[in-house]
Amino acid sequence: DAGVTQSPTHLIKTRGQHVTLRCSPISGHKSVSWYQQVLGQGPQFIFQYYEKEERGRGNFPDRFSARQFPNYSSELNVNALLLGDSALYLCASSRPTSGGQDTQYFGPGTRLTVL
Amino acid sequence: AQSVAQPEDQVNVAEGNPLTVKCTYSVSGNPYLFWYVQYPNRGLQFLLKYITGDNLVKGSYGFEAEFNKSQTSFHLKKPSALVSDSALYFCAVRDVVGYSTLTFGKGTMLLVSP
Repeated sequence: DAGVTQSPTHLIKTRGQHVTLRCSPISGHKSVSWYQQVLGQGPQFIFQYYEKEERGRGNFPDRFSARQFPNYSSELNVNALLLGDSALYLCASSRPTSGGQDTQYFGPGTRLTVL
Repeated sequence: AQSVAQPEDQVNVAEGNPLTVKCTYSVSGNPYLFWYVQYPNRGLQFLLKYITGDNLVKGSYGFEAEFNKSQTSFHLKKPSALVSDSALYFCAVRDVVGYSTLTFGKGTMLLVSP
């Protein structure tokens, strides 16, 4: 089976612009999570979606939004880009189990550079 | 709030020697614990996880981790390091109580010299 896929691989934007990142989960996985990884840091949780519903949101401003589609793919949108938004954006999918024992599998990420 | 500490920014080991990458955690309830590895310009790759049961967890590529509840630790180990093990390693925790997401440590760079 194919793993988690993300597009685009790299993206360069200027301050104030808007960006949309895309993620396709592993077949059969209904939950998608988004993380931001700044250079030299561990991934930080942004959003989690399950069955098209938002299940959790990290400590990120309202400029960040996301959605999940009926085929379980997902988009992350960031408005009014700031230099500090430059990071690797990771998508992870999982097959949720009772009690939260599921393993999240990560895609290769989208490298966003804001100039 | 849940948190993870990886006290070492970098671990250096010679090929063939045993390696340990340290991780301690803090959660309000019982933890689910994970190790991931990241190679340059790549996403995170799952290595192993602790849910319950045996405190010694075996994972991919010969890695294992030992859960120690009293010391709130989950150290990653391998009996014999390979040069190809050189990468960035992340420990992550999820609290069993209620719904929660993964919280990651800042990562430890493992360098294995020939």
